[in-house]
Amino acid sequence: EVQLVESGGGLVKPGGSLRLSCAASGFTFSSYSMNWVRQAPGKGLEWVSSISSSSSYIYYADSVKGRFTISRDNAKNSLYLQMNSLRAEDTAVYYCAKGLMYFDYWGQGTLVTVSS
Amino acid sequence: EIVLTQSPGTLSLSPGERATLSCRASQSVSSSYLAWYQQKPGQAPRLLIYGASSRATGIPDRFSGSGSGTDFTLTISRLEPEDFAVYYCQQYGSSGTFGQGTRLEIK
Repeated sequence: EVQLVESGGGLVKPGGSLRLSCAASGFTFSSYSMNWVRQAPGKGLEWVSSISSSSSYIYYADSVKGRFTISRDNAKNSLYLQMNSLRAEDTAVYYCAKGLMYFDYWGQGTLVTVSS
Repeated sequence: EIVLTQSPGTLSLSPGERATLSCRASQSVSSSYLAWYQQKPGQAPRLLIYGASSRATGIPDRFSGSGSGTDFTLTISRLEPEDFAVYYCQQYGSSGTFGQGTRLEIK
């Protein structure tokens, strides 16, 4: 059974940093692209970042480019999102999702709140 | 950047009725890269349709997807009570984009 479990969310002040993790199991993690998608409270889905299976290709939404860094450790079956210079508008539930052209499995999400 | 516009914003229907949800892209999208998701309150999104018309594993055949180019449609042939949710289309090229969602509510 495919499982994606996010962690690392919490309350952080504007300008602060946070590192999210996503632990994957039930599939060959090193063979698949992975993604972060976020959802602000009461709002729709926003794609944040994608990373290819070997980390050769990395993409970011314009809204996070230069502030967020996606990475993965295939030996640990883990996906990460380093978030710096956080803003109030980054407040959201952050989901990790498996896949390239479509996202077939999602975690339950971790809430990031940016507030003073 | 491709923008996806979903319509209507809210669709009010009764169980047993047919639902037709639209997703229009600001420029042509490869059908291979068009997907639909369902999201219920407090839950993660669930993949319904990929490649514009292929049902994901375990998705009932009352869900179908169609379209090409800039116009795509998700059809639910006969609504069940558990189908009332928010639906998103998504395109993926070098970056992913979601539509703003259509809320399907019970009339």
